Amino acid sequence: ETGVTQSPTHLIKTRGQQVTLRCSSQSGHNTVSWYQQALGQGPQFIFQYYREEENGRGNFPPRFSGLQFPNYSSELNVNALELDDSALYLCASSLGERTGAYEQYFGPGTRLTVT
Amino acid sequence: GIQVEQSPPDLILQEGANSTLRCNFSDSVNNLQWFHQNPWGQLINLFYIPSGTKQNGRLSATTVATERYSLLYISSSQTTDSGVYFCAVNSGGYQKVTFGIGTKLQVIP
Repeated sequence: ETGVTQSPTHLIKTRGQQVTLRCSSQSGHNTVSWYQQALGQGPQFIFQYYREEENGRGNFPPRFSGLQFPNYSSELNVNALELDDSALYLCASSLGERTGAYEQYFGPGTRLTVT
Repeated sequence: GIQVEQSPPDLILQEGANSTLRCNFSDSVNNLQWFHQNPWGQLINLFYIPSGTKQNGRLSATTVATERYSLLYISSSQTTDSGVYFCAVNSGGYQKVTFGIGTKLQVIP
């Protein structure tokens, strides 16, 4: 059984640029959630994808967008990067239905630095 | 939205000591998980425990859903237990998971 993987591990971008982060879900999982974790804080929910459709969103602006592919892997895209976007971005996968709550398994994260 | 409070925020233990971490939440929950975040940022699943008691080696957890709290017990602590412990909950049919701010544990030899 393959766990959740994320790429890249580290990334440095300039303010105003765009970035794409990638996540491969654990084998057999159909749901992917993305989180942003600023230094010294708990992870903050960005959004969730269930079977290729967005299935819930946190308090993040529209420049944060995502995709889920038929193999349930996912991308997080951030446009017009701001300095405050510097954070650890975590992806979690789970197996479940559109509603309800299920155990989530996290990837190692992508550390994004915006200069 | 639901509020999640964790205490204490910081904890320093001598190796071999026991500790109790607490998570209070402001509404009924469908799901509660405890995680350990290691120094490299990886979140490691400890317990999926929306109610009841579970044990895994030196760790155990209890969630009393009716009173809106969960406890994580660490016995005979080891230096490898150091890191940040998070409680995370899901409430209602919405998929948003809310994390507490964590308890930073340092176990010293």
